[in-house]
Amino acid sequence: AQSVAQPEDQVNVAEGNPLTVKCTYSVSGNPYLFWYVQYPNRGLQFLLKYITGDNLVKGSYGFEAEFNKSQTSFHLKKPSALVSDSALYFCAVRDRGDYKLSFGAGTTVTVRA
Amino acid sequence: NAGVTQTPKFQVLKTGQSMTLQCAQDMNHNSMYWYRQDPGMGLRLIYYSASEGTTDKGEVPNGYNVSRLNKREFSLRLESAAPSQTSVYFCASSRALGGQGDNEQFFGPGTRLTVL
Repeated sequence: AQSVAQPEDQVNVAEGNPLTVKCTYSVSGNPYLFWYVQYPNRGLQFLLKYITGDNLVKGSYGFEAEFNKSQTSFHLKKPSALVSDSALYFCAVRDRGDYKLSFGAGTTVTVRA
Repeated sequence: NAGVTQTPKFQVLKTGQSMTLQCAQDMNHNSMYWYRQDPGMGLRLIYYSASEGTTDKGEVPNGYNVSRLNKREFSLRLESAAPSQTSVYFCASSRALGGQGDNEQFFGPGTRLTVL
């Protein structure tokens, strides 16, 4: 069985400050890991993914995520948050060789001006 | 290139009514999916189609049926709607089902369904 935990329902930061959204996962094998963002009344947009190789993955809109195998984590980060980053963020995991993509419950990010 | 499109955007049904949610993709993807999104629960897979001509159940298939009409289109049908099916429904597609390769999924804008 595979699962994803996003321990924070909400993250609030001031514009210009660093943003971190936490994600931990559980899979029986090696994972593919994804981050998606959902703006109000919109579908999910792909941000970035970890497949293999470098543990630091860079994605869209200045976001990056670090894969930590020992801690089974894949935290999303942005060095300087923008008000336009306010959205709902989902972490997802898929075991290699499986089809099923498991999503976390989501973290609402609010960036205040 | 519209990506994944869904119709309708909003729908209100009475208990017991039926309806079909439509989904189409223009990315020549083989695999398509239907999810429901409920607050605090992330996305849960209802049904998926690995390729044209095949469909399989996901985590929460009860009360739903699907049809993979062709490679582009994948519809979700509620035969007798219940209030528990009030949710936001997302269709997604990917190049292939999984296994080899990363195969990220691309999502449509969603259908917001309310069952009274």
